[in-house]
Amino acid sequence: KQEVTQIPAALSVPEGENLVLNCSFTDSAIYNLQWFRQDPGKGLTSLLLIQSSQREQTSGRLNASLDKSSGRSTLYIAASQPGDSATYLCAVGGLGTDKLIFGTGTRLQVFP
Amino acid sequence: NAGVMQNPRHLVRRRGQEARLRCSPMKGHSHVYWYRQLPEEGLKFMVYLQKENIIDESGMPKERFSAEFPKEGPSILRIQQVVRGDSAAYFCASSPGQGRNEKLFFGSGTQLSVL
Repeated sequence: KQEVTQIPAALSVPEGENLVLNCSFTDSAIYNLQWFRQDPGKGLTSLLLIQSSQREQTSGRLNASLDKSSGRSTLYIAASQPGDSATYLCAVGGLGTDKLIFGTGTRLQVFP
Repeated sequence: NAGVMQNPRHLVRRRGQEARLRCSPMKGHSHVYWYRQLPEEGLKFMVYLQKENIIDESGMPKERFSAEFPKEGPSILRIQQVVRGDSAAYFCASSPGQGRNEKLFFGSGTQLSVL
């Protein structure tokens, strides 16, 4: 059974810092991995999708890496801003299934 | 192009009543997914539908829960005889094709509170 863990559960940093959010999964037989952002009272916004054959994806100040063999992914946020404050969720798509298994998220606060 | 629309945003029901949650996917999307987020827990998959078909309902509780996605109109998640444990945020997501390599677009969710 696939389990997804995110560390840390919460993170508070000053504006401008570069930071790394971690995601680990127990079953390496995945189809893809996605990172989402969730703002309070709102839905999820897809940030990056990494296919299992890829090692990383980049979008602006965000970079996500995937090491399937070790069951790990990291989301790197460069030069953090207060507007980055949100909960970041990692989700994996397994082989032969259309559903995503989500981690419980990292709640990020960036203060000015 | 409007995003995924869910309504109502908030729904309050008493134990034993029925709850109907609606989801209109993005224009051009024919694949709909429902997820549930219990307090302090991650999102859990419930059901995956295409127009008029249930593709995967492995995450649906065996009783009281049903989902449909008719040829016309929104997808409906229906919960009969609600209990306090059904209180959660219910999210709908859509994609244009099969979800494996498609980004999912999520709605803002329906917060169900059972009194």
